[in-house]
Order: sequence, then structure tokens, then C-alpha cells
Amino acid sequence: GQQVMQIPQYQHVQEGEDFTTYCNSSTTLSNIQWYKQRPGGHPVFLIQLVKSGEVKKQKRLTFQFGEAKKNSSLHITATQTTDVGTYFCAGTTGRRALTFGSGTRLQVQP
Amino acid sequence: EAGVVQSPRYKIIEKKQPVAFWCNPISGHNTLYWYRQNLGQGPELLIRYENEEAVDDSQLPKDRFSAERLKGVDSTLKIQPAELGDSAVYLCASSLTQGRTEAFFGQGTRLTVV
Repeated sequence: GQQVMQIPQYQHVQEGEDFTTYCNSSTTLSNIQWYKQRPGGHPVFLIQLVKSGEVKKQKRLTFQFGEAKKNSSLHITATQTTDVGTYFCAGTTGRRALTFGSGTRLQVQP
Repeated sequence: EAGVVQSPRYKIIEKKQPVAFWCNPISGHNTLYWYRQNLGQGPELLIRYENEEAVDDSQLPKDRFSAERLKGVDSTLKIQPAELGDSAVYLCASSLTQGRTEAFFGQGTRLTVV
């Protein structure tokens, strides 16, 4: 079945450093979504990418969807303590339900 | 607008006992998901409904888990009997359509089986 993997599992950065998490799917995706989950909270939607090679930005966050629609990345520029949490990608293939990756936990040292 | 509402927030039960979780999705959302999230892992799909029809339940352990979504609105997820390995957070989410629009998650039910 469809599998979505993320790396790294965990990253600890100093405030102001950049951060990137990578998402890889075993199958071609229809679209990919990114979610953030704060400690003790629930996943909250960040963005959806649909087109091959698509790049979207939200302030300090940059999201990319690979040309083959099998991988994606989230890059945060100049991290802040408010960026702490776990970032999940979630992909859809045809009629298959939203499948989540294992997540990347980000810790930001002030 | 109210978000996805789940209850209870926490539940502690002894193994072999039954337990039920309830979810009220956002009004007008046709798609409803039940996910299970173990500590340090991503949400794992248990079942997806399109209105009242379960269209993706391949990962639901049907020997002990059951779900229903009467009238295509509220949903319940039941475990009977519970096992120690069922301890996890059970998340309900809803969206307008499957996979093409964002999923809104409830606060989840944290289940502890002792």
C-alpha cells in the first residue's frame, strides 16, 4: 500500500537557524498536504500542493512538491520558538484516504 | 463556526472492557476520518466515511473495532474488547471532500488501557 516517509525524525536547532523536512512517497501522489502539531495538540493544516514542481510560501515557510509528485519538502527560514512542533506531510493517491508521514519533530533552542 | 468535537477527551479502562468514542464533524463536511496516533508517530487511518458510507476501512481491526456514521453526520468508534496495545490518541477529522480540501481535526481522545 501507499507509504509516506519523512526525514529527519527529529531536529534540534538554535533560534534563527533554518530547518528543512523531507517527505517521500512510494507512489505518485494526487496532492500533498502539510500539517503542524504542537505538543499536546492536534494536527493543524498548513498548506496543500497539487501541481508538479509547485512551490508555495507562507511568510518564513516554503513548501515544494517534486516534479514526479512523489516527494515534497518544507523549509523554515530563521526559526523561532513558535515553530516548535511536529510537522507532518500527508498525501492522497486517487481514492485512497489522506496518508500521513511519520513526522519531523522540531525543537528550537532560544 | 464550531470545529470538530470529540468526546471524551480522556478515557482509562481496564483491558477486555469496551469503550466508545464520539465525533461531531464540522457541519456540511461529507468526509469523516478516524485516525489512531501512537506516541511519536503520525496519524494512522482507521476508517474513512463519505457521508454515511464507509469507503476505506482496510486498516480497521474488524475483530474488535467497529464504527458507524448514522445519517452521515456524527460518528462513533467502538473497541470491544480493548487490549493494552490499543492505548493511543484517537483523532477524528472531517473535510468537505476527500483529500482535496484540508482536514480539520478534533482534539482527540486519549485512551489508556490498563
